[in-house]
Amino acid sequence: QSALTQPASVSGSPGQSITISCTGTSSDVGGYNYVSWYQQHPGKAPKLMIYEVSNRPSGVSNRFSGSKSGNTASLTISGLQAEDEADYYCSSYTSSSTAFGGGTKLTVL
Amino acid sequence: EVQLVESGGGLVQPGGSLRLSCAASGFTFSSYSMNWVRQAPGKGLEWVSYISSSSSTIYYADSVKGRFTISRDNAKNSLYLQMNSLRDEDTAVYYCARPSRSGSYHYWGQGTLVTVSS
Repeated sequence: QSALTQPASVSGSPGQSITISCTGTSSDVGGYNYVSWYQQHPGKAPKLMIYEVSNRPSGVSNRFSGSKSGNTASLTISGLQAEDEADYYCSSYTSSSTAFGGGTKLTVL
Repeated sequence: EVQLVESGGGLVQPGGSLRLSCAASGFTFSSYSMNWVRQAPGKGLEWVSYISSSSSTIYYADSVKGRFTISRDNAKNSLYLQMNSLRDEDTAVYYCARPSRSGSYHYWGQGTLVTVSS
């Protein structure tokens, strides 16, 4: 039950694009197309932004996109907005648990 | 509208016990597996436990195995987490979350805070 690896922080200016990586193993990220991404604002519950690598739930902006290559998944946010400043977590299905990344703090400069 | 409402958190001494509940509404509770996920203050998300829709399959994180017990009552649309032998490191906000078949959590409760301290 190892955690997935994310950068601790990323930053970007309004209007720019940023990408957050999430690295796992062949037992989690690489083994299934079941990677999810969550956004969490301070004091709030996590919100699902991407599921099954690249699918957006209804209501989530198309500025958010996901992809995967091998054991690494990525979340890209284009056209950064002030409201995107938050913590972002990746997760992956495994055969008997859910693996979460350590989280990435996104700062909008 | 899907709603998950946790309760039962509070302050407990190390070695003590606490039982969390999660009341579900807005969907057919008995058809879905459920999970508990926690978040220590200032830290990331940590998966805690999984229970299948019929309670036939249960999994735990290594960090809580042997101390925590997940259960559900489909007649009451409720999920539970019995926490025994609590440690300082169990201090966290505990969320109940409903996963999809692919393990993504589309629905979360608001969380309940458990503080383990003497």
